[in-house]
Amino acid sequence: TQLLEQSPQFLSIQEGENLTVYCNSSSVFSSLQWYRQEPGEGPVLLVTVVTGGEVKKLKRLTFQFGDARKDSSLHITAAQPGDTGLYLCAGADNTDKLIFGTGTRLQVFP
Amino acid sequence: DTAVSQTPKYLVTQMGNDKSIKCEQNLGHDTMYWYKQDSKKFLKIMFSYNNKELIINETVPNRFSPKSPDKAHLNLHINSLELGDSAVYFCASSPPSPRSGGAPDTQYFGPGTRLTVL
Repeated sequence: TQLLEQSPQFLSIQEGENLTVYCNSSSVFSSLQWYRQEPGEGPVLLVTVVTGGEVKKLKRLTFQFGDARKDSSLHITAAQPGDTGLYLCAGADNTDKLIFGTGTRLQVFP
Repeated sequence: DTAVSQTPKYLVTQMGNDKSIKCEQNLGHDTMYWYKQDSKKFLKIMFSYNNKELIINETVPNRFSPKSPDKAHLNLHINSLELGDSAVYFCASSPPSPRSGGAPDTQYFGPGTRLTVL
């Protein structure tokens, strides 16, 4: 069974701080996606990474796919209260089915 | 303008009842999904349909029966509801997947249906 473990599970920080969320697996994925989910809503895609070692930037968010395509990280610079939410990584297996990670709940206080 | 819509938003029912959740997407996508998110926010795929045909069935109890009358709709019927069925159920849709080796396309999620079984 493919599993994606995210750490930390919970993160509470002050506005302006930097943070990194990790997504790890013992399985290789063909690609990896990051989603953000706000309370009462469905997840919304932030980014897809495909190539091992790939780095993508989305404003203050930096995403990296591990060289071996087994792990990924999300780094947020100067976090803002609007970044608050549940962050989910999701790996695509060889049938393109998405396996979701265990989730990281981020709270950014003003 | 809602892309993926689900009804109802909240569903509270007694154990043993039968209930349905409806999902519609107006994005013209071929593929639709049902996911279950438990109390710990773990999101797991249940079913996937492509052009009204079942593609993925993730060892879900046969009390759960998806039905796709057309490619814009994927409904979920649940028989004999149990306490453990309490969760948030999300419908999603996506365009056709690219050829093997390409990245999967974006999945667009509905707002979810919170099911509470008493």
